Amino acid sequence: AQSVTQPDIHITVSEGASLELRCNYSYGATPYLFWYVQSPGQGLQLLLKYFSGDTLVQGIKGFEAEFKRSQSSFNLRKPSVHWSDAAEYFCAVGAARGGADGLTFGKGTHLIIQP
Amino acid sequence: EAQVTQNPRYLITVTGKKLTVTCSQNMNHEYMSWYRQDPGLGLRQIYYSMNVEVTDKGDVPEGYKVSRKEKRNFPLILESPSPNQTSLYFCASSPSGVGTGELFFGEGSRLTVL
Repeated sequence: AQSVTQPDIHITVSEGASLELRCNYSYGATPYLFWYVQSPGQGLQLLLKYFSGDTLVQGIKGFEAEFKRSQSSFNLRKPSVHWSDAAEYFCAVGAARGGADGLTFGKGTHLIIQP
Repeated sequence: EAQVTQNPRYLITVTGKKLTVTCSQNMNHEYMSWYRQDPGLGLRQIYYSMNVEVTDKGDVPEGYKVSRKEKRNFPLILESPSPNQTSLYFCASSPSGVGTGELFFGEGSRLTVL
C-alpha cells in the first residue's frame, strides 16, 4: 500500500528566508506525486505535481519540488518565503496507473512565518 | 467560475439525526470524492465515484453513504451521525482517474456531532 510521510509537523521560517518541506513516500511502482496547500478556512489547492520527465518541477506561487527516486523523496522548496505562505502543506501520492484509487495524503506540515 | 461547492459549510447536530452534506461541481468532471480531515491524521478518503451510478469505498467508509445520480452532484449522507464523525469534510473532483488528474477541492464543511 502506498504511504506518505511528512516528518515535520510544524516549521517556522523567517520572512524572506528559504524553505524546504520534506516528503517521503512509499509506493511499489512509479508514483504520481503532488503538493497541495491549504490556507486557513480554505480547501486544498494544487501547488505542483510530478508525473514523469524532469525531476525538478515548478509550481505556482514560486514553489518547486524535486523528485529523488533513490531517496523516495519529493521535497518542496521556495527560495524566499512571504507572510502569505503561512498555511498547511500536504504531500500526496497517487497511483501511476491512473486508476480510481484516491490520493494518499501525508499528515501535513504547518508553516509559520515569522516577521 | 470553475468550482466545487459544498453545503452547509458549518453544521452542529445531535447524535442520530440524519444529515446530508451536498457537493456540486460545474466542471463536468467524471471523478468525485469525499475526504475527512482530522488533526494529526491528515486527509482520509471516505468514498469516491468514477462516474454516474458508480461509487466505491475509500479508506474510512463506515457510517457514511453516498450517491451519484447526476454527474455534477455527489452528496454525503450520514444516516445516524455519531460524535466520532465530528470532522472537517472536503469534496473533490477530477477530470480523470485521480492518479493522473488534479483534484479540485471544495472549501470544506465543518461538522460537529454532539
